[in-house]
Amino acid sequence: AQSVTQLGSHVSVSEGALVLLRCNYSSSVPPYLFWYVQYPNQGLQLLLKYTTGATLVKGINGFEAEFKKSETSFHLTKPSAHMSDAAEYFCAVSLPPFSGGYNKLIFGAGTRLAVHP
Amino acid sequence: DAGITQSPRYKITETGRQVTLMCHQTWSHSYMFWYRQDLGHGLRLIYYSAAADITDKGEVPDGYVVSRSKTENFPLTLESATRSQTSVYFCATGPTNRGGTGELFFGEGSRLTVL
Repeated sequence: AQSVTQLGSHVSVSEGALVLLRCNYSSSVPPYLFWYVQYPNQGLQLLLKYTTGATLVKGINGFEAEFKKSETSFHLTKPSAHMSDAAEYFCAVSLPPFSGGYNKLIFGAGTRLAVHP
Repeated sequence: DAGITQSPRYKITETGRQVTLMCHQTWSHSYMFWYRQDLGHGLRLIYYSAAADITDKGEVPDGYVVSRSKTENFPLTLESATRSQTSVYFCATGPTNRGGTGELFFGEGSRLTVL
């Protein structure tokens, strides 16, 4: 069975500081990995995704994540936080197509990012 | 063109009443999903559908019923609402499994309060 653990339910950073949100996964086969962002009273938007190929993935709004198989991690980073980055972030895992995963995403519990001046 | 639309966005009901949350998509995506979001749990899958007339249970299906007679609609019904079903419900869609990247597209959510 697949699972996702997000370390830290709340993260607070200063504007301009590095953002690091941690995600570890468990999967019996090479997974597909995702980061979604949720702004207040809105649905989830895809930030970035890893499927195959290059392990460093760049997404929208300056975010990136690195797939590290040996560490079963997919941490999300951004070099310089902006006030507009304050939101809740979800890491998710799924089986790749043709593995019967049917695009079922398994989500972590989420990390709420606060950015202060 | 909103792509995926959920209604109602906000609903207050009483214990024991039947409630239906609607989800409509304009993309003709094969897959549709219902998730519920609760503090500390992230999103948990309730039901999903691979195509019209094909549905299957997710992680937390008890107390919910779904149907999918048309590709574009995927209603979620709480037959007898309970307070534990107070939550934010998200509908999501995904393209056909073959060759897809696994990405899902989410609606804006339906906030349900059961008194």
